[in-house]
Amino acid sequence: DVKVTQSSRYLVKRTGEKVFLECVQDMDHENMFWYRQDPGLGLRLIYFSYDVKMKEKGDIPEGYSVSREKKERFSLILESASTNQTSMYLCASSASQPQHFGDGTRLSIL
Amino acid sequence: ELKVEQNPLFLSMQEGKNYTIYCNYSTTSDRLYWYRQDPGKSLESLFVLLSNGAVKQEGRLMASLDTKARLSTLHITAAVHDLSATYFCAVDPLAGGGGADGLTFGKGTHLIIQP
Repeated sequence: DVKVTQSSRYLVKRTGEKVFLECVQDMDHENMFWYRQDPGLGLRLIYFSYDVKMKEKGDIPEGYSVSREKKERFSLILESASTNQTSMYLCASSASQPQHFGDGTRLSIL
Repeated sequence: ELKVEQNPLFLSMQEGKNYTIYCNYSTTSDRLYWYRQDPGKSLESLFVLLSNGAVKQEGRLMASLDTKARLSTLHITAAVHDLSATYFCAVDPLAGGGGADGLTFGKGTHLIIQP
């Protein structure tokens, strides 16, 4: 089975902090994705990557950046966390489709 | 900009009944996915629909895709309590896309099945 592991289930940070969310997949997938999930809004794509060191903006990239130095790891970075970034963050990976999701990180910015 | 609309967003139904969730999308695409999410859990892939007229069935759930109408349906037959969850449809924005693109999701249908 595909395993997508997000480093934290719950995270609490303060406004202005730089925040790192980590995601690792064990299936040698080329494609990795970061989404955020908010009540009533569904999932929205933040960034995705189709290869090491490659990245593409999704629908809501503002306030975020990503890093993919190794194929199995895709990091989401909140450069200066703000309260409106409080959300559930989901990482996914795929070779083709469907995408396989991690358990999510519930991030609270105080 | 691709828009994906699901309806209904909330559905409460009794066990044994049939119902359909609808997913409309706004641009040409021939790849649509259905996911299930249980409270506090991640998304689980249910169906992958890759062509016009595709129909997939798993237990009491059946999904279909009409690319000309830009419509997918998820039909529930003789519902049971264990099917209570939130169901999402998601569309690959590129027709014929190879899976490297992010998906555009509907807002989800919160389904409650009561005994």
